[in-house]
Amino acid sequence: GAVVSQHPSWVICKSGTSVKIECRSLDFQATTMFWYRQFPKQSLMLMATSNEGSKATYEQGVEKDKFLINHASLTLSTLTVTSAHPEDSSFYICSAMGQGNQETQYFGPGTRLLVL
Amino acid sequence: AQSVTQLDSHVSVSEGTPVLLRCNYSSSYSPSLFWYVQHPNKGLQLLLKYTSAATLVKGINGFEAEFKKSETSFHLTKPSAHMSDAAEYFCVVRASGSARQLTFGSGTQLTVLP
Repeated sequence: GAVVSQHPSWVICKSGTSVKIECRSLDFQATTMFWYRQFPKQSLMLMATSNEGSKATYEQGVEKDKFLINHASLTLSTLTVTSAHPEDSSFYICSAMGQGNQETQYFGPGTRLLVL
Repeated sequence: AQSVTQLDSHVSVSEGTPVLLRCNYSSSYSPSLFWYVQHPNKGLQLLLKYTSAATLVKGINGFEAEFKKSETSFHLTKPSAHMSDAAEYFCVVRASGSARQLTFGSGTQLTVLP
């Protein structure tokens, strides 16, 4: 149980285009989802926290207009990188926390984004 | 505020020998502590967690960790390393009573030599 999926697993796009990444909790309802960014050889940095049906809370330094987060249902959150630039290239990982277990975050497999 | 320090960025062991990955934490409240493992280009997998129950926590794949409040440590150990253990390991803290956000350590790359 507690499986989280991400789609796509990798994406290449041109500079200036927008990219949407999906995060799904497959076998549990996720009241809260988190989006992280990981640069090569570095740790995960929290970008934002989203609760189902409400606006996401962004960490300091993360542009909310550039990284649009939607958490419309208890099993799906999306991250849209708008007007992507090469510096947005990174590994994006989501995690989800269920209603009954507020202690553990379950992580998706990540999405590698390359902006040309 | 809470923080996590992983004392070694790289650890190298021979297959069949013990593994020790060190982690010290700082937290204003009673923390929850986690160890996650990340294989190349993969997401994170939970190895084990401490949430104020037994101080010696057993996880998957033969790993365990001991919460030592007096030393503010939560070191990860395994009696005998396997080649498949080679990966990046993250020590993570969450302060109880706070938002459910996690604070990650910088990671320890474990290499297992044949």
